[in-house]
Amino acid sequence: GAGVSQSPSNKVTEKGKDVELRCDPISGHTALYWYRQRLGQGLEFLIYFQGNSAPDKSGLPSDRFSAERTGESVSTLTIQRTQQEDSAVYLCASSLGGGADTQYFGPGTRLTVL
Amino acid sequence: GENVEQHPSTLSVQEGDSAVIKCTYSDSASNYFPWYKQELGKRPQLIIDIRSNVGEKKDQRIAVTLNKTAKHFSLHITETQPEDSAVYFCAARFAGSYQLTFGKGTKLSVIP
Repeated sequence: GAGVSQSPSNKVTEKGKDVELRCDPISGHTALYWYRQRLGQGLEFLIYFQGNSAPDKSGLPSDRFSAERTGESVSTLTIQRTQQEDSAVYLCASSLGGGADTQYFGPGTRLTVL
Repeated sequence: GENVEQHPSTLSVQEGDSAVIKCTYSDSASNYFPWYKQELGKRPQLIIDIRSNVGEKKDQRIAVTLNKTAKHFSLHITETQPEDSAVYFCAARFAGSYQLTFGKGTKLSVIP
């Protein structure tokens, strides 16, 4: 079946602008995760959704970052007033349930803040 | 907080040789340890994983070992091939959490 998809694949924005990144999880996966990957670095956890609630937002770096999820489907990650340090690849992953082990990743959105 | 350390950061091996990547973790109650392979510009792909009640797992040329006492786990790739060249990430799921905590990655280069 279809894997995790993300859009856009690339986003270039100016400092101070808001951006929205979209994630479509694998159908039937109730758990959804957002991670950030800076150039040459590992993945940093941002937020976890179970259904449309977010029991763990501990990784969001500031109040400029927010995310929502519609039911057990699409999620959007919003970054307000973007800063240059927000430049990174934003990866979404989904798993069958919150307790399920395997997380399947999307291709990511490469965000560049000029 | 919880932490995963990964070594080495870069590794070059001759084709046909073995490669070993090691990770250590901080929370002794961690229960799940996956390994992901990420080719340049691509998404991370799960290649093998191990749970805390198992000491070793193999899948063809890839194996993972877990030492809970020492809190470390290792990826072993035998008979390396050029297509094994990629960045490999280890991760751990700490007790009471659902997200994964990742190491910083190992860039593996297999020289033909």
